[in-house]
Amino acid sequence: QQQVKQSPQSLIVQKGGISIINCAYENTAFDYFPWYQQFPGKGPALLIAIRPDVSEKKEGRFTISFNKSAKQFSLHIMDSQPGDSATYFCAAEGSARQLTFGSGTQLTVLP
Amino acid sequence: NAGVTQTPKFQVLKTGQSMTLQCAQDMNHEYMSWYRQDPGMGLRLIHYSVGAGITDQGEVPNGYNVSRSTTEDFPLRLLSAAPSQTSVYFCASSLRGDEQFFGPGTRLTVL
Repeated sequence: QQQVKQSPQSLIVQKGGISIINCAYENTAFDYFPWYQQFPGKGPALLIAIRPDVSEKKEGRFTISFNKSAKQFSLHIMDSQPGDSATYFCAAEGSARQLTFGSGTQLTVLP
Repeated sequence: NAGVTQTPKFQVLKTGQSMTLQCAQDMNHEYMSWYRQDPGMGLRLIHYSVGAGITDQGEVPNGYNVSRSTTEDFPLRLLSAAPSQTSVYFCASSLRGDEQFFGPGTRLTVL
């Protein structure tokens, strides 16, 4: 049972374009929604995170949009760069403070 | 700070063998977790600990044991390795309700 569904599985974007990755969750008890970035051969690293009391959070070129009623959240990468090429995971955390991950999106930014 | 360290980086086992994956952190984090990463499935929680002497099961605990005798260490034991346990294993640590820091991973192959 996958409690966090992520799409698309892969994404190819031109340099300077906007990358958008979407996630949907089922458990309304989740109260923390981080995005992790993973480069090949490395462990995931926190990119940006949001709590459900706000609808948007922006850090540099990265923005999370959050829709509590729809139980959806998304990551937007503005002005995508080749160095952004990586696998991105959305996740959700509940009261037990354990993460449930989406299946991942492999982003390729073409130069 | 070394952060989260994992050993070994690579391991090949035969079916039925046992082994221990080591994880250590030097950040005095209360929470530690083990995840496995399989293609197309994101990261799935195996076991976690909220402090020394306290452990609990995650989503996929079967075939794995853990213990937490110190704050720093959280080893994962495979009791009798099976091909289905071929995966990349990540250890993570965090303060209560804070960002999770991941180790570099252990790539395990079971023949």
